[in-house]
Amino acid sequence: GNSVTQMEGPVTLSEEAFLTINCTYTATGYPSLFWYVQYPGEGLQLLLKATKADDKGSNKGFEATYRKETTSFHLEKGSVQVSDSAVYFCALSVSGGYNKLIFGAGTRLAVHP
Amino acid sequence: GAVVSQHPSWVICKSGTSVKIECRSLDFQATTMFWYRQFPKQSLMLMATSNEGSKATYEQGVEKDKFLINHASLTLSTLTVTSAHPEDSSFYICSAEQQGGWNEKLFFGSGTQLSVL
Repeated sequence: GNSVTQMEGPVTLSEEAFLTINCTYTATGYPSLFWYVQYPGEGLQLLLKATKADDKGSNKGFEATYRKETTSFHLEKGSVQVSDSAVYFCALSVSGGYNKLIFGAGTRLAVHP
Repeated sequence: GAVVSQHPSWVICKSGTSVKIECRSLDFQATTMFWYRQFPKQSLMLMATSNEGSKATYEQGVEKDKFLINHASLTLSTLTVTSAHPEDSSFYICSAEQQGGWNEKLFFGSGTQLSVL
């Protein structure tokens, strides 16, 4: 079946450190891949997405590349800020729409000054 | 951006009671809303798709008689956990689809933590 696996958190970093949150997936067909972010007390928000192999999604300094050969979509940021502290969810969709979004378990990121 | 309000943010109830969770789209109309559940350290799992004016579509393994979904208007969907038991304790999240959108038009509530004693 279709599934998403994320690295377990929490991930604790100092400000300006490099961030990687690993995400791998299993899917039939050609899924679209997403990263969502949930800031404290708020709902999940789309951070970035990629719809086909080798696509790179980017937003707010974060980026992730759709790697079909390794079935991965790792999230990276070169220099994190305290305001990036949140829970990050990797997700896939095989239908191309909302109704079958499959999420990972989420990874909590804590950035300290 | 668009806002989805989910209420309550947390609730504690006794075993055997029913709990209602509301999901409102505050500044757009949503013909479709989704309900998810997340157990500790597990993935966010889709429970059901709620369609305004019609019956909800439940995912495999989700008891429709236990998790009652009502989507009576374009801005409100409710999830009622009937006769709750401790194993229903979980984090429930709703999302609402803004019409005409792609995945960036899907907006999430902030979730409800349900604890059943």
